[in-house]
Amino acid sequence: DIQMTQSPSSLSASVGDRVTITCRASQSMSTYLNWYQQKPGKAPKLLIYAASSLQSGVPSRFSGSGSGTDFTLSISSLQPEDFATYYCQQTYSTPPDTFGQGTKLEIK
Amino acid sequence: EVQLVESGGGLVQPGGSLRLSCAASGFTFSSYWMTWVRQAPGKGLEWVANMIQDGSAKYYVESVKGRFTISRDNAKNSLYLQMSRLRVEDTAVYYCARGRQLDYWGQGTLVTVSS
Repeated sequence: DIQMTQSPSSLSASVGDRVTITCRASQSMSTYLNWYQQKPGKAPKLLIYAASSLQSGVPSRFSGSGSGTDFTLSISSLQPEDFATYYCQQTYSTPPDTFGQGTKLEIK
Repeated sequence: EVQLVESGGGLVQPGGSLRLSCAASGFTFSSYWMTWVRQAPGKGLEWVANMIQDGSAKYYVESVKGRFTISRDNAKNSLYLQMSRLRVEDTAVYYCARGRQLDYWGQGTLVTVSS
């Protein structure tokens, strides 16, 4: 199985900050990487697919990059509604389509 | 509008069984892979199972193999998860989601395994 490791596990930031979350895969997986946002009590929401493609309706302040084993999710200017938990997921090798452990983004 | 609505969750004793359903609408159900994902209380997301459009291929996370069965009825636009020999550690909110990129999710249904 491919293991996905996110860093950091938690992050404190302020409105307007630029933040970056990293996801590292245990083996090379091209760009088969998705990013999700989850708010408390809600279902996750797809933000980025295929490492860098923005899902329809997602604000352009979200961006993704990377290939192989190292990937990043960036938020260019944090908005109040962006404070949530973020997960990466690989779909290169199934089963399973592994998720990372999550990164909780909190208000400083 | 794409909608996924899960049902069938509840309280069950260890060793028991439960069948989850996911009713899909707003898209051509038979054209998409479908996936189940779960989330234990206070924990992260765990991919559980998925299946191809025509049901000819199904995949499971190791921890549920032999106990859970994913299925679908394309005529009824429905996805199912038959869960048997349930364990305390299967307690979670279970989500169905569209595709492998999981671009749409249901609201989830809570399964509690406890004596």
